[in-house]
Amino acid sequence: AQSVSQHNHHVILSEAASLELGCNYSYGGTVNLFWYVQYPGQHLQLLLKYFSGDPLVKGIKGFEAEFIKSKFSFNLRKPSVQWSDTAEYFCAVTGGSASKIIFGSGTRLSIRP
Amino acid sequence: NAGVTQTPKFQVLKTGQSMTLQCAQDMNHNSMYWYRQDPGMGLRLIYYSASEGTTDKGEVPNGYNVSRLNKREFSLRLESAAPSQTSVYFCASRLQGGTTVTDTQYFGPGTRLTVL
Repeated sequence: AQSVSQHNHHVILSEAASLELGCNYSYGGTVNLFWYVQYPGQHLQLLLKYFSGDPLVKGIKGFEAEFIKSKFSFNLRKPSVQWSDTAEYFCAVTGGSASKIIFGSGTRLSIRP
Repeated sequence: NAGVTQTPKFQVLKTGQSMTLQCAQDMNHNSMYWYRQDPGMGLRLIYYSASEGTTDKGEVPNGYNVSRLNKREFSLRLESAAPSQTSVYFCASRLQGGTTVTDTQYFGPGTRLTVL
């Protein structure tokens, strides 16, 4: 069965610090991977996704993620965070042509001004 | 385009009452999903529908039923609500099988349900 682990439950950073949020998945086949963001009081929005090709994926708002197949990981990064990045971040996985999409437990990011 | 709409936005039920959460999308998407969001648990998949006429169980289907009424609408029913079903429920839709650019889940605004 597919699963997603996000080990950082709450991350607190100062503005301009670099960010890396961990995501590990379990799935025995071709995967499609997603990162979503949920700003306070809002619904989920797509940050970026990986289907195939270049394992370094760039998304909106300066975020990027790297798919490392050997480590079953898809970590999210941003070189310099802003206060407006305060949100909850979710990693999600689906397999190849499958419809089922499973989410991780989320990482809450707090940015100190 | 309204995207994904959900009704109601808020609901309070007593234990044992039933209700149906409605979801509709106007993007001609084939796949639709129901998730619940609880603190520290992330989003957990309740049911999904890969296409009109099909539904499948997700991670936490017990206590829920779904209906894919047509391509646009996907409802979630609680037959006998329990306090453990207090949660925020999100519906999502997706154009599966399109290009990698278009294959994305779009989420509704959520329904906040409290069961007393």
